[in-house]
Amino acid sequence: GNSVTQMEGPVTLSEEAFLTINCTYTATGYPSLFWYVQYPGEGLQLLLKATKADDKGSNKGFEATYRKETTSFHLEKGSVQVSDSAVYFCVLGAGGTSYGKLTFGQGTILTVHP
Amino acid sequence: SQTIHQWPATLVQPVGSPLSLECTVEGTSNPNLYWYRQAAGRGLQLLFYSVGIGQISSEVPQNLSASRPQDRQFILSSKKLLLSDSGFYLCAWSALGSGFYNEQFFGPGTRLTVL
Repeated sequence: GNSVTQMEGPVTLSEEAFLTINCTYTATGYPSLFWYVQYPGEGLQLLLKATKADDKGSNKGFEATYRKETTSFHLEKGSVQVSDSAVYFCVLGAGGTSYGKLTFGQGTILTVHP
Repeated sequence: SQTIHQWPATLVQPVGSPLSLECTVEGTSNPNLYWYRQAAGRGLQLLFYSVGIGQISSEVPQNLSASRPQDRQFILSSKKLLLSDSGFYLCAWSALGSGFYNEQFFGPGTRLTVL
């Protein structure tokens, strides 16, 4: 079946540090890949997405490239801010169904200190 | 633009009491709708999904049920709450027929505490 494995965390960084959160997946066919972010006490927000191999998703300084050869979708940001502190989820969309079932990674807690 | 609402935002209920959580979507028609539970602020568990009015599929056996009385309304219910039902409940929608290529959009969530 489909699965997503992401860096366990928690990850603690100083402001302006470089961020990488690793994500690898297992899926049949050609999945779509997403990163969602959840701020404390809130729902999930879509951060970025990629729908085919070699696509690069980007938003708010975050980037992730869909690597089919390594089945990875690592999240990166060159300079994090305190406001980036949140839980980040790597998510896979695949399966031959019409209802769009998603498979979630376990989430990575990011804390950025001033 | 589309928006998704959930209420209540927080709820504290005694064990054995009934539950009704509501989710509504605005600005779209015929959405796929989903209920998730998130425990301990981490992984999400899909509870129910619906591709149309009255069409409900359950992902896991549990103490909860779901209904979709209107196109853009999704309700999560229980006749008797258990302690293990505590958690953060999230509703989400995606465009009908989008399959797995389009993202889901999440509501703000309901924090349920069962005492």
